[in-house]
Amino acid sequence: ETGVTQSPTHLIKTRGQQVTLRCSSQSGHNTVSWYQQALGQGPQFIFQYYREEENGRGNFPPRFSGLQFPNYSSELNVNALELDDSALYLCASSLETAYGYTFGSGTRLTVV
Amino acid sequence: KNEVEQSPQNLTAQEGEFITINCSYSVGISALHWLQQHPGGGIVSLFMLSSGKKKHGRLIATINIQEKHSSLHITASHPRDSAVYICAVRSSGNQFYFGTGTSLTVIP
Repeated sequence: ETGVTQSPTHLIKTRGQQVTLRCSSQSGHNTVSWYQQALGQGPQFIFQYYREEENGRGNFPPRFSGLQFPNYSSELNVNALELDDSALYLCASSLETAYGYTFGSGTRLTVV
Repeated sequence: KNEVEQSPQNLTAQEGEFITINCSYSVGISALHWLQQHPGGGIVSLFMLSSGKKKHGRLIATINIQEKHSSLHITASHPRDSAVYICAVRSSGNQFYFGTGTSLTVIP
């Protein structure tokens, strides 16, 4: 049984660019959620996907978008990057929404 | 005001001490999670609770739904318990809210 893997682990982008972060869910998990964690702060919920449909969203602008694929892997896309988007981005997967979550190690994004 | 409040923010304990971290929340929830985050970012899910109490090894988590309060206890603390402990809730509306974490340092 593999855990949740995220790629890349580190990324540097320029303000205004677009970025795609990837998450492979734990085997059998059909729910994935994404979080943004700025330095020294707790994670902030971005959105959750269940069986390829978004079923929950936090207070993030539309330039944060996502996809969940039939194999339940997932992407987080951020357009028009801003300096404040620099953060650790975490994804977590779960077998159904009512179960516990397994977290990935995160992607550290730096926007310069 | 944050939907999830944790206390204390920082905690230093001697090895062997009993530790309690508290979490209060203001929204209706379907579940509460206790998470452990080590330096570098990796997060481990310790517990998911919707009622009562759970125990895993030296860790115990309790929740009081009426009082909207949960506690995480660590018995016989050890330096390897040093980490940031985060309380997170999944609201009835399928939103997730996180506390800012409690940074625990256990000194040998």
